[in-house]
This record gives sequence, structure tokens and C-alpha cells, in this order.
Amino acid sequence: GESVGLHLPTLSVQEGDNSIINCAYSNSASDYFIWYKQESGKGPQFIIDIRSNMDKRQGQRVTVLLNKTVKHLSLQIAATQPGDSAVYFCAEGPVGATNKLIFGTGTLLAVQP
Amino acid sequence: NAGVTQTPKFRILKIGQSMTLQCAQDMNHNYMYWYRQDPGMGLKLIYYSVGAGITDKGEVPNGYNVSRSTTEDFPLRLELAAPSQTSVYFCASKRDISGGYTFGSGTRLTVV
Repeated sequence: GESVGLHLPTLSVQEGDNSIINCAYSNSASDYFIWYKQESGKGPQFIIDIRSNMDKRQGQRVTVLLNKTVKHLSLQIAATQPGDSAVYFCAEGPVGATNKLIFGTGTLLAVQP
Repeated sequence: NAGVTQTPKFRILKIGQSMTLQCAQDMNHNYMYWYRQDPGMGLKLIYYSVGAGITDKGEVPNGYNVSRSTTEDFPLRLELAAPSQTSVYFCASKRDISGGYTFGSGTRLTVV
């Protein structure tokens, strides 16, 4: 069935280090991949996206890498800051008639000062 | 733009009570979705709408109902609340087939 999973449920990093959050997806027909950040008590917030015809996309301090051969997605955060502490979700889609996204269960990123 | 606005932010219901979770977006998005998020779990789709007047069930629709009389509003109705409906509910919208969601800030519901 469809699934999007994360390799690491929690990730603890030191402030200033780079963080890498990984995600595996199963639907090879997915055309669009997104990373969301969810802070405690808030809704998911868009970070960065990438389409299936791309391998890499960079934003401000964040980079998303897509490896379609092994169905793997990663989010790299440079110079991680305490404000980056949150749960990060990957999502793939659109799926079916709903045009919905399928979400992973999330990775908790804990930044140590 | 306010984006996606959800009300209330918190609510405690007694078993058997009913309530409506409100969701409104001012971005003229066609697609709207209701998800629930349980601790340690991913987002599960309850209902969705592809445009005004059109709604359909998602993965976990039992115990819920929706309507979409306007493009802007997509309320979620809980009839006969049960403890299993204790969760955080998120409304989301997007403009068209491609692209990601814009989420509301969520409604934390506890049924006791």
C-alpha cells in the first residue's frame, strides 16, 4: 500500500551542526514531495518542496534531495538553530482523486544549545 | 491574507455531545481537507472537498460530517462525540492539483 516513512523518529543535534532528516516513500507515481515543520501546538508549516523531475532544491538554510532510484527524500538543515526544534514531516502526492498528500509519522528534531 | 483559520483552538466535549469545527480560508483555494492527528501518528484524512458543493470521505470518516456551501468555508461536524475522537484536528487547503497544503493552526478536542 501507500506509505511514507521516516528512518529516525528522533534526531538530536548540537546547535550549529548540520541536520539531515530522511524519508522513504513507496509510491513511484508521486510527482511532488514536501517537507513540513510542526512546532508544538501549531499546524504544519511548509518548508520546501521538490518535484519528481528534480534531484535537489535549495532554500534558505535548507536543502531537499530526492533520489527516485531508491525512493528516498532527505531534508538538510545547515547551521541548526534552537528555533529549528520541531517535528518534521515529509509528504508525497498528489494521490488519487482526492489530490491528497500522504504524510509520514514525523521526526522530532531536538537542537541542544 | 489570513490563510486558513480554525476555530475553536481548544474544546472539551462530553460523550454524546455534538459540535462543529470551523474552517475558513481566504485564498480562493478549491481543495480543502480535514485531518486528525493522534499522538505519535501521522495525519489521517477525514473528509475532503474539491470545490463548493462537492465533498467526499477520506480514510476515517465515521462519526463526522462536512459541508462545503462556499469556497471559503469547510466546517466539520461531530455528532455524538466519543472518546476515540479525542485528537488534534487540522484543516488544510490548496489551490489546485499540484502544490502543497496550507494548514490551519488546529483544534485540540478532548472528549470525556
